[in-house]
Amino acid sequence: AQSVAQPEDQVNVAEGNPLTVKCTYSVSGNPYLFWYVQYPNRGLQFLLKYITGDNLVKGSYGFEAEFNKSQTSFHLKKPSALVSDSALYFCAVRGRNNNDMRFGAGTRLTVKP
Amino acid sequence: NAGVTQTPKFRILKIGQSMTLQCTQDMNHNYMYWYRQDPGMGLKLIYYSVGAGITDKGEVPNGYNVSRSTTEDFPLRLELAAPSQTSVYFCASSQGSYTGELFFGEGSRLTVL
Repeated sequence: AQSVAQPEDQVNVAEGNPLTVKCTYSVSGNPYLFWYVQYPNRGLQFLLKYITGDNLVKGSYGFEAEFNKSQTSFHLKKPSALVSDSALYFCAVRGRNNNDMRFGAGTRLTVKP
Repeated sequence: NAGVTQTPKFRILKIGQSMTLQCTQDMNHNYMYWYRQDPGMGLKLIYYSVGAGITDKGEVPNGYNVSRSTTEDFPLRLELAAPSQTSVYFCASSQGSYTGELFFGEGSRLTVL
């Protein structure tokens, strides 16, 4: 079955600095990859996804992610972090011909003023 | 639009009691999912459904049951509640097949004492 690893439990950055939240995946065949964000006491919200095509995917709120097939990675990035970006971020993967979506353990992003 | 609606938001159960978490969506999505979220563990898939009358097990189905009699509704039943089922439960839905992102409800926090 497919799986996702988020190697960092916590990422701290200063406001205005670039941020990266890491994600690696394991799946049979080509993957469908997703990033979600969760604010306190809320459900997850979709940020962006990679299905096929351009390896750099742009999403909501200025976030982007780069798909790297050779490194089996899908890191989330933003050029300039905002305090309001502080939240819990989840990477997820679905394999082709798989109906279920598997999530990583999550990375807590804290952006300090 | 309401999106995905879960009830109740909070519930305390005694060991051995049973209950049903309700989930309904108004987006006419075929795919629906139940996840549980435990601290530091991310989201674990309990059950999912690809359409009315069709359900399948996820990673952690033991102690749970589901049914899907309509496109809109996907209730999750806990039989003989145990402390290990203390968690936050999320229902989600998606459109189409493997490329669709998930839309989540606000969650149901369950405590088993």
